[in-house]
Amino acid sequence: EVQVLESGGGLVQPGGSLRLSCAASGFTLNNYVMRWVRQAPGKGLEWVSSISYSAGSTYYADSVKGRFTISRDNSKNTLYLQMNSLRAEDTAVYYCAKCTNFYFDLWGRGTLVTVSS
Amino acid sequence: EIVLTQSPATLSLSPGERATLSCRASQSVSSYLGWYQQKPGQAPRLLIFDASNRATGIPARFSGSGSGTDFTLTISSLEPEDFAVYYCQHGGIWPLTFGGGTKVEIK
Repeated sequence: EVQVLESGGGLVQPGGSLRLSCAASGFTLNNYVMRWVRQAPGKGLEWVSSISYSAGSTYYADSVKGRFTISRDNSKNTLYLQMNSLRAEDTAVYYCAKCTNFYFDLWGRGTLVTVSS
Repeated sequence: EIVLTQSPATLSLSPGERATLSCRASQSVSSYLGWYQQKPGQAPRLLIFDASNRATGIPARFSGSGSGTDFTLTISSLEPEDFAVYYCQHGGIWPLTFGGGTKVEIK
């Protein structure tokens, strides 16, 4: 079955760090652009970050630039999001998504990140 | 940044009725517009890409139209499972952005 599964979310204090993982199965991660999208409680969807096929290009929303780092380990077929200097406004469900052209065509169930003291 | 404005915010309809959802872009996105459905507690699901193409497995009652700045998602006859929140999303220009969503609720 083709799927992605996020993990690594949890409760973290403001200023802290967390690393999210997204394990892909049923397809080769390296063949697709992969992206992270987040959704704050009761709110809409916000694109967070993207990584190209070869990981040569990465992109970030202004709201996370300089604090978050996207990466991939093709040998493990896994995508990551390293999140540093976390703020209360980063509280959200984080989804990883496989992308075809500009669109998010396969989503995981998401992992909840809560930033609170 | 392209802003996508969805209307109405909430649409109250009965099963079997036709739903018409609008998405307006602050500047032209050509035909690079997608639609997603999200049910409570679930991840979004791609319905339509490139304004009018149904994604794999999406029923024919879902259709998309438009180009430039004005787009429409139509559900020809609402099924009970169609009551959800719908988001539009543009492609092609960074950053990618989503609209604020339209909730289709049971009247």
